[in-house]
Amino acid sequence: DSGVTQTPKHLITATGQRVTLRCSPRSGDLSVYWYQQSLDQGLQFLIQYYNGEERAKGNILERFSAQQFPDLHSELNLSSLELGDSALYFCASSVGQGPVQPQHFGDGTRLSIL
Amino acid sequence: KNEVEQSPQNLTAQEGEFITINCSYSVGISALHWLQQHPGGGIVSLFMLSSGKKKHGRLIATINIQEKHSSLHITASHPRDSAVYICAVRSIGSGGGADGLTFGKGTHLIIQP
Repeated sequence: DSGVTQTPKHLITATGQRVTLRCSPRSGDLSVYWYQQSLDQGLQFLIQYYNGEERAKGNILERFSAQQFPDLHSELNLSSLELGDSALYFCASSVGQGPVQPQHFGDGTRLSIL
Repeated sequence: KNEVEQSPQNLTAQEGEFITINCSYSVGISALHWLQQHPGGGIVSLFMLSSGKKKHGRLIATINIQEKHSSLHITASHPRDSAVYICAVRSIGSGGGADGLTFGKGTHLIIQP
């Protein structure tokens, strides 16, 4: 058990809809990272938050947004969903924001767009 | 060309064999991670390396910064080691390293009894 909790585990919705994925980091971890794993692109970094502030952006679409709340949990919002957004979405956390930090992964949310 | 290349893509071996998975990268890095992903989908962090060698149980990870290469070894392999092994690097970025990981495509390992 990594200590990182992601909900829901599975989500099925339709094109054009909006969903929110939630992540609770390990106790004491201030950094949260969001990753997307799709069949064609593999694992890709989306966005990082540290102590409530956005720190880095990767290949995140404009239709996607995220935030980290004062209690350090994070939410990833996906809107105007397309079939290609079907993927596993992982959250990871680390203590700090520095480069030499182990990251602890949640079990992921499997998003299926019908 | 991907920044992170893994080989082999697929590997099938017999129980007890010594396994080596390779990872080469083309960018400057601050750290390299080895991850394990089981068929259920969850990802487990095995190692984080910035130099030298680390060992945990039957797993050994090495990195050669000059050659931009890392290897993951599994000794006395067992069917429960069957999984996808993913190499990921933390690039040296302009933001003081505040970037996410860049991933290889993974090595699908099957250990047959």
